[in-house]
Amino acid sequence: EPEVTQTPSHQVTQMGQEVILRCVPISNHLYFYWYRQILGQKVEFLVSFYNNEISEKSEIFDDQFSVERPDGSNFTLKIRSTKLEDSAMYFCASSAGQYMFAFFGQGTRLTVV
Amino acid sequence: EDQVTQSPEALRLQEGESSSLNCSYTVSGLRGLFWYRQDPGKGPEFLFTLYSAGEEKEKERLKATLTKKESFLHITAPKPEDSATYLCAVQAPSSRAGNMLTFGGGTRLMVKP
Repeated sequence: EPEVTQTPSHQVTQMGQEVILRCVPISNHLYFYWYRQILGQKVEFLVSFYNNEISEKSEIFDDQFSVERPDGSNFTLKIRSTKLEDSAMYFCASSAGQYMFAFFGQGTRLTVV
Repeated sequence: EDQVTQSPEALRLQEGESSSLNCSYTVSGLRGLFWYRQDPGKGPEFLFTLYSAGEEKEKERLKATLTKKESFLHITAPKPEDSATYLCAVQAPSSRAGNMLTFGGGTRLMVKP
């Protein structure tokens, strides 16, 4: 069964440091997303990416965040200067079509200390 | 603004005791309603997509239904392995190539043997 792969599974970083979360979406999917879930809260949309550009982003996705698809298989989320409130589980997802269901990865737990 | 409310927040059932989970939504023109299952520390796992009022989908002990204002996830004769958090998410039409999902807070289901 196809799956979305995320690395690392857990990352601890110092406040103010840059982090890069990595994802390998399902190979024939065209739409890629990042969501986050703060402990005990709802899953929140961050950004969607299609045709090598951001197609939609939420208010959470400010200038500290960026996404990139550096090659044909990887999709990354960069946080330039982490804050304590960035601590959350970050999920990468991909879908074959704009209005089709998304497959989610297992997540990266980011802890900012 | 799209809103999704799930109830109850938590539900304890005995094995074999059927019940229903509710997802109420407010969205400008529903494109799709999605049900996901989430196990602790894991990413959401896709269950169903519903597109129009009156639609029903079934998978093993689960059945999802949709009206113009809410969706139900019916669980028939649940087993302990059905214990998880069930998430509902809606998608509205987007003028851009986005696929933003708005999630509810989830219902945490616990099935005791």
